[in-house]
Amino acid sequence: DAMVIQNPRYQVTQFGKPVTLSCSQTLNHNVMYWYQQKSSQAPKLLFHYYDKDFNNEADTPDNFQSRRPNTSFCFLDIRSPGLGDAAMYLCATSSAPRGPPWETQYFGPGTRLLVL
Amino acid sequence: QQPVQSPQAVILREGEDAVINCSSSKALYSVHWYRQKHGEAPVFLMILLKGGEQKGHDKISASFNEKKQQSSLYLTASQLSYSGTYFCGAKVESGGSNYKLTFGKGTLLTVNP
Repeated sequence: DAMVIQNPRYQVTQFGKPVTLSCSQTLNHNVMYWYQQKSSQAPKLLFHYYDKDFNNEADTPDNFQSRRPNTSFCFLDIRSPGLGDAAMYLCATSSAPRGPPWETQYFGPGTRLLVL
Repeated sequence: QQPVQSPQAVILREGEDAVINCSSSKALYSVHWYRQKHGEAPVFLMILLKGGEQKGHDKISASFNEKKQQSSLYLTASQLSYSGTYFCGAKVESGGSNYKLTFGKGTLLTVNP
């Protein structure tokens, strides 16, 4: 089955220790998104890639970076995690650039990050 | 600006109906409904593209009033499996022929036996 896979499902890191979350997809979609979802809140878009074109949201902290080495994989790097970065991180994919009205995003199961 | 969902939470007995509302202060180009169970990914339910469009998915349907910039999700004869948090995603213009999907805070639906 075509799908979006995130690893690990749970990640524990220490305050200030860099951490990398990964996302892979077998849908062959051009666009990959990273969302942050805190408890009982809506998913918040951090950034997205259209192919190798990186698009950062204006309010995404510099502490968050991303890499997309190929179509299938995308990584979220948190350079110095703070306690406020504890959240669920969701990866999503879609087939359409510019996010047209008809575009559907497909989500992975998420990685829950705990910062100690 | 994120869409506003109401109610924040609703508790039903199996077989009862519910309505979840979503409204936007910006012009809506489409509305996307997702359901998320605890600890799992949001699962896409349906997309509404045109004003006045209504769609159905089993006993879950939705309407879209483009002029009022509102959408409603209707759950009929609820089943235990309907429990979860329902998010509406509002597709709004973000400049330069680009569009962005912004989610509401969600509505927690609990269906009890």
